[in-house]
Amino acid sequence: DTGVSQNPRHKITKRGQNVTFRCDPISEHNRLYWYRQTLGQGPEFLTYFQNEAQLEKSRLLSDRFSAERPKGSFSTLEIQRTEQGDSAMYLCASSLESRDRYGYTFGSGTRLTVV
Amino acid sequence: GQNIDQPTEMTATEGAIVQINCTYQTSGFNGLFWYQQHAGEAPTFLSYNVLDGLEEKGRFSSFLSRSKGYSYLLLKELQMKDSASYLCAVRARGYIPTFGRGTSLIVHP
Repeated sequence: DTGVSQNPRHKITKRGQNVTFRCDPISEHNRLYWYRQTLGQGPEFLTYFQNEAQLEKSRLLSDRFSAERPKGSFSTLEIQRTEQGDSAMYLCASSLESRDRYGYTFGSGTRLTVV
Repeated sequence: GQNIDQPTEMTATEGAIVQINCTYQTSGFNGLFWYQQHAGEAPTFLSYNVLDGLEEKGRFSSFLSRSKGYSYLLLKELQMKDSASYLCAVRARGYIPTFGRGTSLIVHP
């Protein structure tokens, strides 16, 4: 298993454009999380899936943000009409329901820069 | 909501011991995690505490007191590679950990 994979690693986009990020979790993990992290801050929760169901969304997730996990495997996070304030590292993590003590495995993240 | 507090920055000497504290306020406590994050990299899991007491894992130990809303991460025999940000994350009701801002640890020779 190669761990949690995120693509692309970096994305530079112009303000107003749409962007989509992909996360491939560890294959047997049924839970998937999206976080956003800015410099000097801890990760902020965005949304969470259990299998294909999106069970929780943060108030940070405005209507410009949408996430899917169509078959309970990989997930996508789309940001429409990007703003400069969206510039951040977007982190994906996955976990297995019955193995809390092993924590959540994070991907390397997608760094978004909106210019 | 949850309130998690950690020192912003700490410095220590190679070979020494350092303790990084985390205090939190939450309802429905359901576990506390410590993660290490090197600059530009993903957080990596260090430890998990859900019951009071000390969990030891090699050079790293983590302690939890639920009644005091307090945890610490203890790093022994510090190495230069331990220079990183250390994130405390608290999980309340549900499955979503909330992260603190992190403590930047600088280890110098």
